[in-house]
Amino acid sequence: DIQMTQSPSSLSASVGDRVTITCRASQGISNWLAWYQQKPEQAPKSLIYGASSLQSGVPSRFSGSGSGTDFTLTISGLQPEDFGTYYCQQYDSYPLTFGGGTKVEIK
Amino acid sequence: QVQLVQSGAEVKKPGASVKVSCRASGDTSTSYDINWVRQATGQGLEWMGWMNPNSGKTVYAQRFQDRVTMTRNTSTSTAYLELSSLRSDDTAVYYCTLSTSTGHWGQGTLVTVSS
Repeated sequence: DIQMTQSPSSLSASVGDRVTITCRASQGISNWLAWYQQKPEQAPKSLIYGASSLQSGVPSRFSGSGSGTDFTLTISGLQPEDFGTYYCQQYDSYPLTFGGGTKVEIK
Repeated sequence: QVQLVQSGAEVKKPGASVKVSCRASGDTSTSYDINWVRQATGQGLEWMGWMNPNSGKTVYAQRFQDRVTMTRNTSTSTAYLELSSLRSDDTAVYYCTLSTSTGHWGQGTLVTVSS
């Protein structure tokens, strides 16, 4: 199975800050990586697929990059509504696997 | 656009089975693969398996291999997840999702296993 390691596990940042979350795969997954945002009591919301393609309706302050084993989710200009837990997921091969999550809090 | 609507919350006793449904509405002209993912309270996301709705072919996570069955009814655009021999640690919210690139998720179904 491909292991997905996210860092940090949590962070606290101010409105307007640039926030970066990293995700590392235990083996190469090309660009078969997705990012999700989840708020309490809600289903995950898809932000990015294909490592860098923004889902329709997702604000442009969210961006993804990377290929192979190392990936990054960047929020350029953190907004109050961006709180929540962010997960990466590889869909290169079964079983699909998720990172452990990064909890983002607003200072 | 496609919406995924899941069945309501369930309470089951240990050893029982549960069947969760996921109905697609809206633009169902395109057939998408279906994944099932679960999340225990306060925990992360766990993939359970995949199904191709046209062929019915499935791939299950190894840890659920002997307890899970994924099926579909193409005439109603509904997918089903059945989990048997329930244990207390199966208590979780179960989600259906379409192919990853679509970004579509159901609203989740809480399954509580308790004696």
